[in-house]
Amino acid sequence: KQEVTQIPAALSVPEGENLVLNCSFTDSAIYNLQWFRQDPGKGLTSLLLIQSSQREQTSGRLNASLDKSSGRSTLYIAASQPGDSATYLCAVQMDSSYKLIFGSGTRLLVRP
Amino acid sequence: DAGVIQSPRHEVTEMGQEVTLRCKPISGHDYLFWYRQTMMRGLELLIYFNNNVPIDDSGMPEDRFSAKMPNASFSTLKIQPSEPRDSAVYFCASSSGQDFRRVRLFFGEGSRLTVL
Repeated sequence: KQEVTQIPAALSVPEGENLVLNCSFTDSAIYNLQWFRQDPGKGLTSLLLIQSSQREQTSGRLNASLDKSSGRSTLYIAASQPGDSATYLCAVQMDSSYKLIFGSGTRLLVRP
Repeated sequence: DAGVIQSPRHEVTEMGQEVTLRCKPISGHDYLFWYRQTMMRGLELLIYFNNNVPIDDSGMPEDRFSAKMPNASFSTLKIQPSEPRDSAVYFCASSSGQDFRRVRLFFGEGSRLTVL
């Protein structure tokens, strides 16, 4: 059974710092991995999707990498801003069933 | 586009009462998902539909939970009777389903349910 883990559960950094969020999964037979952002009291917003054949994806200050063989993904946020404060969740899609398996998230606070 | 619309945003009810949560997916999306989020268990998929037909309901906790999608623009999740352990945020999400290898979900803002 696939398990998705995110460590740490919470992270606090000063504004301007570059940071890395981690996601690990136990079964490497994935179709893709996605990173989502969730603001308090809101739904999830998809940030980046990396297909199993890809190594990384970039969007603005965000860069997500995928190492399928080791069961790991990282989300790199450059020059963090207070507006980046949110919970970041990763999710894997295992097959064509359209089901995503989510990690429990990392709650990020960027201090001004 | 208005995005995925859920109602109510907040619901407080007493144990034993019936609860109905509603969802309007993004127009043109043919997949609809119901998720539940709690501190203890995170995000769990309850059920999903394709073209209004339930495809996988293996995540539905028990018979007290039921979901319907009578048409492409409306879905309900019903809990009857409700129990305190059902307290959670329930999310609806939709997807266009154009590429099964790249499923992108669009989430509503959720319905926060509190059962006293």
